[in-house]
Amino acid sequence: SYVLTQPPSVSVAPGKTATITCGGANIGSKSVHWYQQKPGQAPVLVIYSDSDRPSGIPDRFSGFNSENTATLTISRVEAGDEADYYCQVWASRTDQYVFGSGTKVTVL
Amino acid sequence: QVHLVESGGGVVQPGGSLRLSCAASGFSVTNHGMHWVRQAPGKGLEWLAVLWYDGTTKYYADSVQGRFSISRDNSENTLFLQMTSLRADDTAVYYCARERGTPGWLDPWGQGTLVTVSS
Repeated sequence: SYVLTQPPSVSVAPGKTATITCGGANIGSKSVHWYQQKPGQAPVLVIYSDSDRPSGIPDRFSGFNSENTATLTISRVEAGDEADYYCQVWASRTDQYVFGSGTKVTVL
Repeated sequence: QVHLVESGGGVVQPGGSLRLSCAASGFSVTNHGMHWVRQAPGKGLEWLAVLWYDGTTKYYADSVQGRFSISRDNSENTLFLQMTSLRADDTAVYYCARERGTPGWLDPWGQGTLVTVSS
């Protein structure tokens, strides 16, 4: 099965930039989507199709995907960005959807 | 406004069955793929199943293949997840979500319903 690997945690100071990686074999050939989940809440889509932002998501959130790593970048981090972040792809070889293991972003 | 509301969760004994429902509003489930995703306590998201917009294409995670079944009622605009042979490790919050860009991304998600498998 297709595996997506994320770092368990990322810490960042307010106003700085947080970078969350999502590793997978040749992930650059897939379309990657990112979700934000705050404690006790349902996940919310923040990036789709590698780098597109849904309406209502600040432009501080951006995405990039190439070769074996996709990246979610949060610029000018705010306290409200503290959450778990998950990447997701469609694994066509197995006809399954796959989530990454999740990254907890802590704002210092 | 697009909205999803799950129901049907509760406490069930190991080996038992349960059917979850996901009522959709603001769109038609016949026009979108619909998913079930779960999250065990303190764990990450686990994709479970999808029913594509055609109403016949279904895919499942290995962990639930043969035990869980996804379906929908077009007239009620509702998605279902029939769960059988439940085990303790099926304990989780179960979310439904709408798909866009099939195969694509999930947006929005419901608020989730808790299933606890325990004797």
